[in-house]
Amino acid sequence: GIQVEQSPPDLILQEGANSTLRCNFSDSVNNLQWFHQNPWGQLINLFYIPSGTKQNGRLSATTVATERYSLLYISSSQTTDSGVYFCAVGGSGGYQKVTFGTGTKLQVIP
Amino acid sequence: DVKVTQSSRYLVKRTGEKVFLECVQDMDHENMFWYRQDPGLGLRLIYFSYDVKMKEKGDIPEGYSVSREKKERFSLILESASTNQTSMYLCASSSIRPTGYTFGSGTRLTVV
Repeated sequence: GIQVEQSPPDLILQEGANSTLRCNFSDSVNNLQWFHQNPWGQLINLFYIPSGTKQNGRLSATTVATERYSLLYISSSQTTDSGVYFCAVGGSGGYQKVTFGTGTKLQVIP
Repeated sequence: DVKVTQSSRYLVKRTGEKVFLECVQDMDHENMFWYRQDPGLGLRLIYFSYDVKMKEKGDIPEGYSVSREKKERFSLILESASTNQTSMYLCASSSIRPTGYTFGSGTRLTVV
């Protein structure tokens, strides 16, 4: 199956700083999603982005499918951005089945 | 607001019990998924369903079964709970159109 690697595994930011999270995957994908898991365990879908660039407020994501990576940008970080960020990818198997990476744990300190 | 609702937030069961975890979505989604999340192992797919009464095994189906009698409801069944099934269980749904998953808030199951 598809292998998914995320980096860095841990990140500590001062409030207001910017950051870039990376997701590398081992095969072509037709489904790529970014999620944020808050400290209470709730997973929130941030982006569905198998290719191209999307922006939502202070967050943006870019997927370069031909080079098998995706980037999540967080600008002007806030303490509420803390949590774990997951990348999940799916190939041609259908049914939108995805494989999750191991996540980047982000802590934003005031 | 669209939702995926899991019936229990916390659950404690005894070894050998039959356990039902329920998941209901109100978005008329075709696909539904059950994952478990464990420290150091991430999220792993147990089963998924792409239509009523249809199911497919995920990566770790052993010890679990599922039921989807209605489009909005997807149940995960632990036939005989064991301590190694202590975990956070997460249900998700998605449309057949290319959009993302919506997750429920999770059920933290402890088997004693």
